[in-house]
Amino acid sequence: ETGVTQSPTHLIKTRGQQVTLRCSSQSGHNTVSWYQQALGQGPQFIFQYYREEENGRGNFPPRFSGLQFPNYSSELNVNALELDDSALYLCASSWTSGGEETQYFGPGTRLLVL
Amino acid sequence: SQKIEQNSEALNIQEGKTATLTCNYTNYSPAYLQWYRQDPGRGPVFLLLIRENEKEKRKERLKVTFDTTLKQSLFHITASQPADSATYLCALDIKSGGGADGLTFGKGTHLIIQP
Repeated sequence: ETGVTQSPTHLIKTRGQQVTLRCSSQSGHNTVSWYQQALGQGPQFIFQYYREEENGRGNFPPRFSGLQFPNYSSELNVNALELDDSALYLCASSWTSGGEETQYFGPGTRLLVL
Repeated sequence: SQKIEQNSEALNIQEGKTATLTCNYTNYSPAYLQWYRQDPGRGPVFLLLIRENEKEKRKERLKVTFDTTLKQSLFHITASQPADSATYLCALDIKSGGGADGLTFGKGTHLIIQP
C-alpha cells in the first residue's frame, strides 16, 4: 500500500454538474499531482500542487481546478462536466527535493458522466 | 510534444520465460525514466527509476535498460510468474521553465503470463 487514499471510489454525475474529488497524501509529502486516465490509456497529467500552490499544469481547461491543504489532503474540482470527463482520476503524492520524484499513487476515483 | 510508445498493447509469455517490454520516446531527452505496474481498478505502483547516465538497473527479477541514443528503454522480467500479469507503464518526467510538467505516460503494455 502507498499510504495515499482517495474518495469516493466511484461517482456518477450528469453533464453540466460539478464534482469534487478528494485525496489524502502520504504523510510528509509536500507535493500532490492529479492525473486523468481514460480507459485503455496511460494517465494524463492534470496539474501539480507544491506547498499549497499550483506548480505546473497539463493540457486541461480552467474548469479543472484544485486545492492542497496543510494536512496533506487535496481536492480536484471539475466544473461543467462533459461526457469525455468520464475516467479514472488518480492522485499521486511525492517529496520534491529538486531531484527525481517517485510518485505514490492512490487507488483512484472512477467518474462516470451521463 | 513528447510522445511515448510502448511496444504492444498485449504480450503473452509462458511462465518461467523472460518478458521484455519496450518503451520508445521522441522529441525530448528526459533526465530519467520510470516504470510502473498497474493492476485492474488500482493506481500505478512504482517499480524502477533509471537516470540518463545509467545504462542498466536491476531489482530482484526486474531489469531496466536505458539507451538515450536510441531513445528507448527495455524492461525485463526474468523467471516470469502468473502473478506478474498486469499492465506496465513507462513514464518520463519532463520539467521545463522551472515548473512541473508531471509524468508523461505511455499507454502501457498488458502482460499476461500463462501457466
